Amino acid sequence: NAGVTQTPKFRILKIGQSMTLQCTQDMNHNYMYWYRQDPGMGLKLIYYSVGAGITDKGEVPNGYNVSRSTTEDFPLRLELAAPSQTSVYFCASKGTGNQPQHFGDGTRLSIL
Amino acid sequence: GQQVMQIPQYQHVQEGEDFTTYCNSSTTLSNIQWYKQRPGGHPVFLIQLVKSGEVKKQKRLTFQFGEAKKNSSLHITATQTTDVGTYFCAGREDSGGSNYKLTFGKGTLLTVNP
Repeated sequence: NAGVTQTPKFRILKIGQSMTLQCTQDMNHNYMYWYRQDPGMGLKLIYYSVGAGITDKGEVPNGYNVSRSTTEDFPLRLELAAPSQTSVYFCASKGTGNQPQHFGDGTRLSIL
Repeated sequence: GQQVMQIPQYQHVQEGEDFTTYCNSSTTLSNIQWYKQRPGGHPVFLIQLVKSGEVKKQKRLTFQFGEAKKNSSLHITATQTTDVGTYFCAGREDSGGSNYKLTFGKGTLLTVNP
């Protein structure tokens, strides 16, 4: 009963490096989301997807890209890492209607 | 755009005391959800309120949705150390659009002194 799985759990990057945060879900959910959480700032939506092949920007998309080639996977790409992107990143998915969002364990990313 | 305000930002209580966090939206909501995040963990869904004036209980937790569907509250009776964490409200705007996006409040961090 895996739910939403995120990898890696922790990562340290140097400024200017790139990386992909992986997210996969096994609940056959159409909706998937990427949030970042900074201390005391709640959850800010980066990108979301309503189904395979469809993605859209959230509140804070600059510096990130996503793709959704399958229902299960929703990777988040950082192209040129900046210190301002140091944060905890959560992936979430949900089913149809007013279903709640299910979150992964998060990726703690530091950019130095 | 829609804003969801949550107060207080922090609350420290003695074990056994009650706790309340309040959530206010700038727009009418179609529904509101509450999540709990333990320190170092991820948000976990607690409950959803849909109807105007709705009240739901989960053991020591009582959730309310305002009559105007613009505010909500979570009340914990006789807090325990297991209640420690950040409580988030999240609302969907009642704009007739799709039901796939939530706006999260900034959360209330509850700490409990044993």
